[in-house]
Amino acid sequence: DAMVIQNPRYQVTQFGKPVTLSCSQTLNHNVMYWYQQKSSQAPKLLFHYYDKDFNNEADTPDNFQSRRPNTSFCFLDIRSPGLGDAAMYLCATSREAVGAQYFGPGTRLTVT
Amino acid sequence: QKEVEQDPGPLSVPEGAIVSLNCTYSNSAFQYFMWYRQYSRKGPELLMYTYSSGNKEDGRFTAQVDKSSKYISLFIRDSQPSDSATYLCAMVWVQGAQKLVFGQGTRLTINP
Repeated sequence: DAMVIQNPRYQVTQFGKPVTLSCSQTLNHNVMYWYQQKSSQAPKLLFHYYDKDFNNEADTPDNFQSRRPNTSFCFLDIRSPGLGDAAMYLCATSREAVGAQYFGPGTRLTVT
Repeated sequence: QKEVEQDPGPLSVPEGAIVSLNCTYSNSAFQYFMWYRQYSRKGPELLMYTYSSGNKEDGRFTAQVDKSSKYISLFIRDSQPSDSATYLCAMVWVQGAQKLVFGQGTRLTINP
């Protein structure tokens, strides 16, 4: 089945220790997104790629970076995680920018 | 004023009841509307995707869009305990930055 896959599902990192979350998709969609979701809140868009074009949200901290080496994969790098970065990180894809977005299962990040 | 308003609930109804979930929005540029279901500690799952005003039905779910009133609804018929989840409305506009704007989410519990 075509899907959005995120690894790992759970990630524990230490304060200040860089961490990378990964997302892959078999939908062959043009657009990939990274969201941060904290408890009882709606997902918050961090950035997205339309093909290779990177689009950063204005309020996304510099601590968050992303890479999309090919159509299928996208990575979220957190350079120096703080306690406030503990959250669920969701990857989503859409065929076009105004299309329906399909989410992966998420990676729950804990910062100790 | 938030761009998308959604009552966070919680909403609790007996099994078999008809559930009505609603969102209002302020920006008439929104053109595409979605409803997502999110179980605890999981990624959002796309339930409905609509564009035009009117109704769209899929099994027990009906999405309704009223662009003149800037109001969207999701109806769940014959509700089941497995429908217990948080329901997020989301919408995207076509002009300018094309990103998904979420409502806060409504936490729904169906009691057996």
